Amino acid sequence: EVQLVQSGPEVKKPGTTVKISCKVFGDTINEYFIHWVQQAPGKGLEWMGLIDPKDGETVYADRFLGRVTISADTSADTAYMEVRGLISEDTAVYFCAAFPQPYWGQGTLVTVSS
Amino acid sequence: DIVMTQSPLSLSVTPGQPASISCRSSQSLLHTDGQTFLYWYLQKSGQPPRLLIYEVSKRFAGVPDRFSGSGSGTDFTLKISRVEAEDVGVYYCMQSIQLPPFGQGTKVEIK
Repeated sequence: EVQLVQSGPEVKKPGTTVKISCKVFGDTINEYFIHWVQQAPGKGLEWMGLIDPKDGETVYADRFLGRVTISADTSADTAYMEVRGLISEDTAVYFCAAFPQPYWGQGTLVTVSS
Repeated sequence: DIVMTQSPLSLSVTPGQPASISCRSSQSLLHTDGQTFLYWYLQKSGQPPRLLIYEVSKRFAGVPDRFSGSGSGTDFTLKISRVEAEDVGVYYCMQSIQLPPFGQGTKVEIK
């Protein structure tokens, strides 16, 4: 059974950086495109970007371009998503996912507060 | 970009009654290989989304047969034949032809 397991909740101050991990169990990460999705409190799913771990190619949504970096370590079957210059509006649950395959991480809550 | 538009955005249903959610895409989701890459997910509170339907009408493993998907091209529908209390949550349609993938979501609650 394939599972995506994310790192734990984070509390960050405005202007700092957060980096979330997503480890694939039960298969190799190279089999999947890994997407990152933001869900602000009470809001819908917003696609942020993806990575093809095989070659490291990334695609970002315009809203996150330049402030978000997605990376992967294939030797560790782990993907990462880094957000720089955090603002209060970045407070959200962040999911990694391997859709269209039905595999999602459990979500990581990032709280940005001074 | 493909824009996915769901309606209604919220739905209140009596248990045992049917429910229907519409999803329209701004471009056809029919791939050149003949498949249509439209999916339906249910997200319950505090959980990641769970796949219900893939490729328009195929139920994912373990999904009750009261859930069905239909449609083609740009117009798609998710139907619940008899809503149960456990069906509450937010339903999302998703496409994988282009990015971004998601509709706005439809919140389903029980009357």
